[in-house]
Amino acid sequence: ELKVEQNPLFLSMQEGKNYTIYCNYSTTSDRLYWYRQDPGKSLESLFVLLSNGAVKQEGRLMASLDTKARLSTLHITAAVHDLSATYFCAVDRDDKIIFGKGTRLHILP
Amino acid sequence: DAEITQSPRHKITETGRQVTLACHQTWNHNNMFWYRQDLGHGLRLIHYSYGVQDTNKGEVSDGYSVSRSNTEDLPLTLESAASSQTSVYFCASNAGGIQDEQYFGPGTRLTVT
Repeated sequence: ELKVEQNPLFLSMQEGKNYTIYCNYSTTSDRLYWYRQDPGKSLESLFVLLSNGAVKQEGRLMASLDTKARLSTLHITAAVHDLSATYFCAVDRDDKIIFGKGTRLHILP
Repeated sequence: DAEITQSPRHKITETGRQVTLACHQTWNHNNMFWYRQDLGHGLRLIHYSYGVQDTNKGEVSDGYSVSRSNTEDLPLTLESAASSQTSVYFCASNAGGIQDEQYFGPGTRLTVT
């Protein structure tokens, strides 16, 4: 059974600091996704990672994938208040997509 | 522009009633999914479909059913609504190909009283 674990589940940080959200999964997968969700809103796709060593960056966010360790990271560089949201990773195996519980990120101005 | 819509956006119903939530996508995607989102649980997969006439159970399918009669729609039915089914429901779709991301609808907030 495919399980996805994120940590931390809640993170409060100061603007300008760097931090990393971790996503572990239990079995081999076809794809790994990162999503952002603002309060009361739907999910917005951030990254799709396919292969071992894949790294994608957009703005202050960078996602990486280590398929051997079954680990993905979402790194936040020099955080700004606008990045406050809940971030989900999700793992796709045979087109069945399972989500982690999410990391609620609160960035203090 | 292609999109995925859900209706209604908000629904209040009574315990024991049958409720159907609609999901319509104009992406022409083969795959469609229903999730529920609850505090402390993230998103949990209810049912999914890989194409017309195909449906599959997800993690939390008890008390829910879906049917897929065309590419665009995957309605979710709660046969006899229970208070434990109070949640926010999201529909999503993707084409299923490599690199393909999943697109989410705006969500339906369902309250069962």
